Amino acid sequence: QKEVEQNSGPLSVPEGAIASLNCTYSDRVSQSFFWYRQYSGKSPELIMSIYSNGDKEDGRFTAQLNKASQYVSLLIRDSQPSDSATYLCAVFTGGGNKLTFGTGTQLKVEL
Amino acid sequence: ETGVTQSPTHLIKTRGQQVTLRCSSQSGHNTVSWYQQALGQGPQFIFQYYREEENGRGNFPPRFSGLQFPNYSSELNVNALELDDSALYLCASRPSHGLNTGELFFGEGSRLTVL
Repeated sequence: QKEVEQNSGPLSVPEGAIASLNCTYSDRVSQSFFWYRQYSGKSPELIMSIYSNGDKEDGRFTAQLNKASQYVSLLIRDSQPSDSATYLCAVFTGGGNKLTFGTGTQLKVEL
Repeated sequence: ETGVTQSPTHLIKTRGQQVTLRCSSQSGHNTVSWYQQALGQGPQFIFQYYREEENGRGNFPPRFSGLQFPNYSSELNVNALELDDSALYLCASRPSHGLNTGELFFGEGSRLTVL
């Protein structure tokens, strides 16, 4: 079982729709959770962090965390073509000082 | 722009050679980590340096080694290159107060091709 699992996609949504990206993780002691956006040919860029159960909203982005189910999600409201990118879920486990990434979900926002 | 700079941006090596990649962290950031990202995959943690000491390592063999300097810049060295080492190598820094978080600032990476 992979430590962090994501559907690789591509996930296609029309402009203006809500994009829903999902991630599961295997290590129950994981402490903090992140979503990074990576445009093609570029490096990852942090867009959301979440540390406790529930929802966290920042502009058009909402991160959701359910530690009991070991599940993290990212909602993007009013999706724009500029949101087309690969979204990487990342989980931090303090014991190893390492951030573990999933393989990423490719999002395509179509006009 | 994250303020993290890496060099070189692209390089080509042959199998068996050695390579050194360099990273300058963002001002005020004393923790640097390195990641390997193969095509179509997420970044894989190689190691982390804090105050010039390695304080975390992923599942990479000893031929992957690193250094951090007093000015917090860093190097990644890979010996005896193999074809599978071809990847984008990412350096990421974070401030001291972010020591135990995954809020990283990535450089643009060094793309290594091993022939």
